[in-house]
Amino acid sequence: AQSVTQPDIHITVSEGASLELRCNYSYGATPYLFWYVQSPGQGLQLLLKYFSGDTLVQGIKGFEAEFKRSQSSFNLRKPSVHWSDAAEYFCAVGFTGGGNKLTFGTGTQLKVEL
Amino acid sequence: GAVVSQHPSRVICKSGTSVKIECRSLDFQATTMFWYRQFPKQSLMLMATSNEGSKATYEQGVEKDKFLINHASLTLSTLTVTSAHPEDSSFYICSARVSRNTEAFFGQGTRLTVV
Repeated sequence: AQSVTQPDIHITVSEGASLELRCNYSYGATPYLFWYVQSPGQGLQLLLKYFSGDTLVQGIKGFEAEFKRSQSSFNLRKPSVHWSDAAEYFCAVGFTGGGNKLTFGTGTQLKVEL
Repeated sequence: GAVVSQHPSRVICKSGTSVKIECRSLDFQATTMFWYRQFPKQSLMLMATSNEGSKATYEQGVEKDKFLINHASLTLSTLTVTSAHPEDSSFYICSARVSRNTEAFFGQGTRLTVV
């Protein structure tokens, strides 16, 4: 069975600083990888996804992520964080197609200091 | 992206009663919908997969008689929490997809509180 690990439960960065959120997965075949953002009491918004092809994926709101097969990682990055980026971030892995059921990581709570 | 709407966004019910949550795909036909549950400050756990016109597939440990799922049309799936108890209080989120190889879109979630 696939699994997803987000080792950082909480991260605090200053506004304008760069950000990297870590995600590692365990899956026997090539996974389909996603990053979602959730504001308090809200649903999930897709930031970006990797299905195949270029391993550096661009998403919305200035986010990007890089799939590294050798490290089983799909870390999320943003060069300059805005205060509005404060939220919960979830990494997820799917299989046999982008729309199949997802396994989520435990999430990383991002706090942005002004 | 496509829009998935959940209703209600918040509901409070008395212990022992049943509550129905709707998940609608507003601008596409969803052959499959997924129901997730999220406990406070925790991740999402898949409860069941719902395919239009057929019985839902429940994940291990999820009581199918307690969490009734109906996917009667290509735009609507419902989750009914029967005989709700305080431990059923949670955030329930649905997602919907067009086909196997397309991404799933999430609803905004429903906060259920059982008192």
